[in-house]
Amino acid sequence: GAGVSQSPSNKVTEKGKDVELRCDPISGHTALYWYRQRLGQGLEFLIYFQGNSAPDKSGLPSDRFSAERTGESVSTLTIQRTQQEDSAVYLCASSPNSGGAVNEQFFGPGTRLTVL
Amino acid sequence: AQRVTQPEKLLSVFKGAPVELKCNYSYSGSPELFWYVQYSRQRLQLLLRHISRESIKGFTADLNKGETSFHLKKPFAQEEDSAMYYCALKESNYQLIWGAGTKLIIKP
Repeated sequence: GAGVSQSPSNKVTEKGKDVELRCDPISGHTALYWYRQRLGQGLEFLIYFQGNSAPDKSGLPSDRFSAERTGESVSTLTIQRTQQEDSAVYLCASSPNSGGAVNEQFFGPGTRLTVL
Repeated sequence: AQRVTQPEKLLSVFKGAPVELKCNYSYSGSPELFWYVQYSRQRLQLLLRHISRESIKGFTADLNKGETSFHLKKPFAQEEDSAMYYCALKESNYQLIWGAGTKLIIKP
């Protein structure tokens, strides 16, 4: 079946503009993660969704960042008033995890965001 | 603080030589560790996890609690092993802490 998909694959925007990144998880996966990966660095956790539970937003770096997920389907990550330091690859992952154990995360191809 | 350290940004070895990708961690509880790999133009994917005690594509990783390490090893490197490798530590029931990654280059 299809894996995790993300769109757009690349996004170039001007400082101060808002951007919206999309993630389509694997069907049936209840858990969904957003990560940020700056050049040469590891993955930085942003937000976690699990079914209909309240999301864990503890990794969001500022109130300019927000994310939504409808049920167990598509998620969007929104960055308002983008800054140059927001430039990074944004990765989405889904997992069949339902708590109690860390299951394998299945990653999308990422969205490369460049803020000029 | 919980942390994962991969001290080598780049590791280059000849085909057929042994490979060891280093990963050190700091964690107060009983650690659960993973190796993920990203081949060129492919997605990040799970390679192995220590609780499974598995060997995948000839790679093994042993958890050494005394040295707080989880090094990834392969006795004979192959060209197709060239990739980015990330070590990750379970922080909660669903969160992982990631190392910065090591780029492995296998020279022919």
